[in-house]
Formats: sequence, C-alpha cells, structure tokens
Amino acid sequence: EDQVTQSPEALRLQEGESSSLNCSYTVSGLRGLFWYRQDPGKGPEFLFTLYSAGEEKEKERLKATLTKKESFLHITAPKPEDSATYLCAVPGSQGNLIFGKGTKLSVKP
Amino acid sequence: GAGVSQSPSNKVTEKGKDVELRCDPISGHTALYWYRQSLGQGLEFLIYFQGNSAPDKSGLPSDRFSAERTGGSVSTLTIQRTQQEDSAVYLCASSHGSGFRSNQPQHFGDGTRLSIL
Repeated sequence: EDQVTQSPEALRLQEGESSSLNCSYTVSGLRGLFWYRQDPGKGPEFLFTLYSAGEEKEKERLKATLTKKESFLHITAPKPEDSATYLCAVPGSQGNLIFGKGTKLSVKP
Repeated sequence: GAGVSQSPSNKVTEKGKDVELRCDPISGHTALYWYRQSLGQGLEFLIYFQGNSAPDKSGLPSDRFSAERTGGSVSTLTIQRTQQEDSAVYLCASSHGSGFRSNQPQHFGDGTRLSIL
C-alpha cells in the first residue's frame, strides 16, 4: 500500500534557526513527490515537484531534496512568515495525491 | 482571479439536509479533484474527473455522496442527508492532465468549511 509519513508532527524554531522536515514514502514506482504549504483557513499551496533521486529544488529559504526513500525540506534562516503546515504527497493509483499528515512549523521572532 | 474558486466558503446546515458544493477550476485544466480534510487529519481523496468523466468513484465515503462535472469545467459535490461526521473542509484541486500516471502538480482552492449541526 502506498504510504507517506512526515516527521516531526510539529517543529518550533527561533527566527534564523535552520532545520529540516522529513517525508518518507513507500510507493510502487515513484512518479514524483510534491511539497505544499498550507496556511490556516487556506488550501494547500504548491511549492515543488521532485521527480528523481538526487534532484533538488530551491525557493527563497526552502530547499527540497529527494532520495529513493525520502525527501527533506530544508529551511534556512527561517522567518516568522514561514510558519505554516508543510505537506508532502505522492501520486496514487486513482489519479489522486496521497498526502502525509504534515509538519506544523512555528517560527518565533 | 486565476486560481481554483470554491463556493460557498462556509456552510452550516442541519443534520439530514442536502448540501451542494461548487468548484470552478483553473481555466484550461482538464483534471479536477475533490478531497476532504478533517480536523487533525490528512487530506482524504474523494474523486477525480478527467474532462467530465470520473473513472473511479470508490473514494466517495458513502452513497450519500455524489459529484458531477459539466462542460469540462465547473464541478459540484453533493452530500445528501448530511450527518455530523460529514463536517470537514472540502477541498477542490485542478491540474493539467491526470490519470494514475500523471505527475502534474494539483492546485487547490481554499475549500468549503462544512458544519453539520
């Protein structure tokens, strides 16, 4: 069964304190891995797609990396506005995305 | 705007009533998806459309749930005889292409928050 697991469930950082979020997956034939950001009361906002092991994508303070079993979202020198829930997902067999439960990131000034 | 639009943004109704949720996808996106997000839970896939067709309806929680899409654009999700466990945020997404081999990112609306009293 295809599965996505994210850790930690919650992460509290001080402004400027870099860290990483983990997304491990079990799928039969990876066809991409997606990272999203979700703010309270909003829908998920697309950040990155990674297609193959070794691939990296960057956007501002965020960098996503992919291996054969997991993906990391590295946050460098975070700011309070980076506070959100970060979701990762992989394509399922029904045309859907299979989401992890997310990591809730809080960045304190 | 150019994003996925959902209406209403909030809906409060009494148990047993029917509700209809609407999704207007990004122009040109052929695929449309419905998900449900309950408090503290992950996103639960409900159904997807390629054009006006829904190849697999097995993700719908019960036969009280139905969905349709017309003109390859707007979709409605209908819940009949609502129950309290139907309370959740219903999210719609759209993408270029679809199908189980698709790797196109899905773009989400802000959802309809449904509360059943």
